[in-house]
Amino acid sequence: SQTIHQWPATLVQPVGSPLSLECTVEGTSNPNLYWYRQAAGRGLQLLFYSVGIGQISSEVPQNLSASRPQDRQFILSSKKLLLSDSGFYLCAWSQREQFFGPGTRLTVL
Amino acid sequence: TQLLEQSPQFLSIQEGENLTVYCNSSSVFSSLQWYRQEPGEGPVLLVTVVTGGEVKKLKRLTFQFGDARKDSSLHITAAQPGDTGLYLCAGAEGGSQGNLIFGKGTKLSVKP
Repeated sequence: SQTIHQWPATLVQPVGSPLSLECTVEGTSNPNLYWYRQAAGRGLQLLFYSVGIGQISSEVPQNLSASRPQDRQFILSSKKLLLSDSGFYLCAWSQREQFFGPGTRLTVL
Repeated sequence: TQLLEQSPQFLSIQEGENLTVYCNSSSVFSSLQWYRQEPGEGPVLLVTVVTGGEVKKLKRLTFQFGDARKDSSLHITAAQPGDTGLYLCAGAEGGSQGNLIFGKGTKLSVKP
């Protein structure tokens, strides 16, 4: 069966610090991968998606970036965090339906 | 840009009551998913509906896809406190990316 992992589960970072969130999927090959941000009361906002290694599409302009160095690894990064980057970050994979990871709660102070 | 409107945004009911959550759009979707999310966790897929007019049942939950594939509803019979959570609908745009458009969710609270 397929599983998806995200870490860390919780992160508190100062404004201006870098960010690296990691997502890995097990039990499947060549999945589509997604990064979402969920702010309170605003639903899920798609940030990035990837259909293959090294292929990244960005949905919204921002100071975040994503990379897919391996088939089942998806990384969300920032060089300098802003207060507005706080939120709940979700990784998902799909080959038809989307399945979500447990999420990372990021607080930028 | 495709949008999905969910209603109501918040719903607080007593155990044993019935409820319906709606998901509406002016756009046609190739499929529609319903998720349930608990605080601090990722959404969990409940069901996918694909065919216009399709009805799927999951124990006390009944999901319906509109004939024109623009809207959907989730009906819960005899709600229980364990049904408490955020219910999200998501429409598939089609295409190889499998991108989903999410509604903002309905926050359900079932009191014992």
